[in-house]
Amino acid sequence: KAGVTQTPRYLIKTRGQQVTLSCSPISGHRSVSWYQQTPGQGLQFLFEYFSETQRNKGNFPGRFSGRQFSNSRSEMNVSTLELGDSALYLCASSLLRDRALQETQYFGPGTRLLVL
Amino acid sequence: SQKIEQNSEALNIQEGKTATLTCNYTNYSPAYLQWYRQDPGRGPVFLLLIRENEKEKRKERLKVTFDTTLKQSLFHITASQPADSATYLCALVGYGGSQGNLIFGKGTKLSVKP
Repeated sequence: KAGVTQTPRYLIKTRGQQVTLSCSPISGHRSVSWYQQTPGQGLQFLFEYFSETQRNKGNFPGRFSGRQFSNSRSEMNVSTLELGDSALYLCASSLLRDRALQETQYFGPGTRLLVL
Repeated sequence: SQKIEQNSEALNIQEGKTATLTCNYTNYSPAYLQWYRQDPGRGPVFLLLIRENEKEKRKERLKVTFDTTLKQSLFHITASQPADSATYLCALVGYGGSQGNLIFGKGTKLSVKP
């Protein structure tokens, strides 16, 4: 079974631009979560989608948005990029949306975004 | 506010020794705790999960303990090998479901020298 895939793997943008990142979950997985990872802040939760609905959102500004399609693929968008948005953006998928059932999250390799 | 700390940013040990990594948390009542391994340029990989009512969990050379009184989890790698060198992350999951309750520590970078 193929793992979580993310495209592109690397991206360079300039301040003020916008960017769209893509995530394809493991086949059959309906929950997709996005995280931002930086050396200073570590791994921080951005948002989670399940069946095309945003179920939860982390503490990030409105410039960060996402969506999920009917085939469970997900995209996240960052508008008006700032230097501080430079980070590794990770996507994770799981079979169910209920964390209380303790299902495992499977992470993709991430997209490395550099904002100049 | 909720806080999760992994006490060491980096840990260097000799091959064959036991590596012990620490994860402490405050202002949180986790339902369970997970440990992940992350290699450079890759996403985290799930290793172990321990529930609040469990004291200890083992998987091959890995052992995790969970003390809700001390608000601490210890992660042990016995007979460590250079291939164990990586960053290890702990993550807490609270009650109420949903991914939003998953909080990660910043990780401890383990280096095992031959």
